[in-house]
Amino acid sequence: AQSVTQLGSHVSVSEGALVLLRCNYSSSVPPYLFWYVQYPNQGLQLLLKYTTGATLVKGINGFEAEFKKSETSFHLTKPSAHMSDAAEYFCAVATSGTYKYIFGTGTRLKVLA
Amino acid sequence: KAGVTQTPRYLIKTRGQQVTLSCSPISGHRSVSWYQQTPGQGLQFLFEYFSETQRNKGNFPGRFSGRQFSNSRSEMNVSTLELGDSALYLCASSLGLAGDTGELFFGEGSRLTVL
Repeated sequence: AQSVTQLGSHVSVSEGALVLLRCNYSSSVPPYLFWYVQYPNQGLQLLLKYTTGATLVKGINGFEAEFKKSETSFHLTKPSAHMSDAAEYFCAVATSGTYKYIFGTGTRLKVLA
Repeated sequence: KAGVTQTPRYLIKTRGQQVTLSCSPISGHRSVSWYQQTPGQGLQFLFEYFSETQRNKGNFPGRFSGRQFSNSRSEMNVSTLELGDSALYLCASSLGLAGDTGELFFGEGSRLTVL
């Protein structure tokens, strides 16, 4: 069975500081991994995804994530936080053929001036 | 091209009533998934429709139902509303089945308040 765990429901960083949002997954077969962002009163938008190939994935707005199979992790990072990054971030896992797409519980990022 | 459109965006109902929410996917997308989002539970999967057939279902009571039409538009219905049904209902479309590596494209949601 697949599952996703996001560590920290709320994360605060100062503007210009490193953003690190943690995601660990569980899957019995090679997973496909995603990060989505949700701004207030909006739906979710894809930030980046890992399917196969290069384990370091670059997304929009300067975000990137690294797939680490040995640690079953897919943490999201951004070198320098901007006020506009304040939003809720969701990690998700899917595996081809299972027809299941599972989201984590989300991490709300607050950026302090 | 047009994104995923959900209607209505906001609605208020009272306990015991029923509600129907609509979702128009991106043109060419054949799969529509529905999610319930609440502050305490996060995103909970309701069901997925592909080519007018329900392909996957979450752990919700039978009061929650859905359907998909031949043009891929989808509706979900909640009967006998309860206070706990207050939530943001999100629809997402994808080219193929959601679990097949595909990106989900989300609408802005329908915010339901049950009084």
